[in-house]
This record gives sequence, structure tokens and C-alpha cells, in this order.
Amino acid sequence: GAGVSQSPSNKVTEKGKDVELRCDPISGHTALYWYRQSLGQGLEFLIYFQGNSAPDKSGLPSDRFSAERTGGSVSTLTIQRTQQEDSAVYLCASSQMTVNTEAFFGQGTRLTVV
Amino acid sequence: QQPVQSPQAVILREGEDAVINCSSSKALYSVHWYRQKHGEAPVFLMILLKGGEQMRHEKISASFNEKKQQSSLYLTASQLSYSGTYFCGEVPIGGADGLTFGKGTHLIIQP
Repeated sequence: GAGVSQSPSNKVTEKGKDVELRCDPISGHTALYWYRQSLGQGLEFLIYFQGNSAPDKSGLPSDRFSAERTGGSVSTLTIQRTQQEDSAVYLCASSQMTVNTEAFFGQGTRLTVV
Repeated sequence: QQPVQSPQAVILREGEDAVINCSSSKALYSVHWYRQKHGEAPVFLMILLKGGEQMRHEKISASFNEKKQQSSLYLTASQLSYSGTYFCGEVPIGGADGLTFGKGTHLIIQP
């Protein structure tokens, strides 16, 4: 595609429900990142994929968070038993080959837990 | 651990200069700079791959002191369009940790 695509763009969910956030990176980009941005805050690193592998999962806030990437393309971030503190914008980015190239960000998914 | 940015916020008049600093506790392979405007996704400005490398994007330039594990972003003759939040990102040597960002520097340019 032309850019990084994230869906849904907005998600309102009830506390305790599970949610799945999807990221479709730019075609051919092997590196993919997930970040969380709370209102007015910085970019909190969650996880990084090189191909289908995630070398470092330590950024995931709790065991309620998981992420996978299949076929070296689409990635899903799953949050189980959502809590109000999970409310934030979840941003996905991708880059060609390695982390030492320009990263392109999607428009994010705004998650609101009520 | 994430890189430390300073200052946290800057207010400038159009035409003034500013410097944003970024410090890391790790030996770095590269430093990235991004700008995010309100309600938008972050946009790439530049990447510095070598110690001492300087890069330029329009009237914005950056330097990378590998030994001090520091990078600075220089905004010269600031324009209204420069307003936004600037993030530095670091890639430690080894690269397994991905790209980690600082908390950002909020830049406001007033006419």
C-alpha cells in the first residue's frame, strides 16, 4: 500500500473486553514497531519485529498485551481484559530492512476503555 | 531506558533559533529525529548513522557525538511550520532493542 495502514482508527470498548489492533505495513518493509502514546505524552515503545520475529518483548506493559506478525507483513496487537489505563493512541510504524532506516508511521488507533 | 531530551518545551518567536538535546545511557548505532504535529502521526526528519555526522532537513540540522552519546537538533530562523513535538530516537549498538524514543520536546513558534 501507499503507507502504513492501521485499523480500526477508533475503538471504544468496555473494561474487561479483549481488543485486537491491526497494522498493515508498507509492502516490503521488514521492520515493524508498535508504540503507545497517551494524551500529550511521548512514544512508549512496546515491541519491534524484524520479519516475523520479535527480538525484544520487554516493552509490553503487562502479560495482557501480546503481538504477532505473520508472513512478514500484517501485525496484530492484542490487549486482553482491557483496563482504563490502556486508553491511548496505539501507533504502528514500519521501515525497510533494519531499524537504521526511516520509519513511516500509521495514523494510529485511538483506544478508549470505558 | 529511553533517551533523555531537553528542554521539555520551548517557546520562540518566528525567526529565532533553538537547540534540542538528546542524551543516551547506551552506546548508540544511530540517532533518529522525528516531528509530530498535533493530531498527526510522527514524521521522519533525519537519521544520523556515524559519530560526528551532521545532517540537514531544510533549515533544521542535527549532529551526533558518538563518544558522548549525545545528539542535538538545531532549528535556525524558525518558521511557524516548525511548531510541534520533536522526538529523538535511539538505536543501541546491536539493534535488537528496536527504536526507542525520548519523551519529546514541545516547540511553539509565535508570530
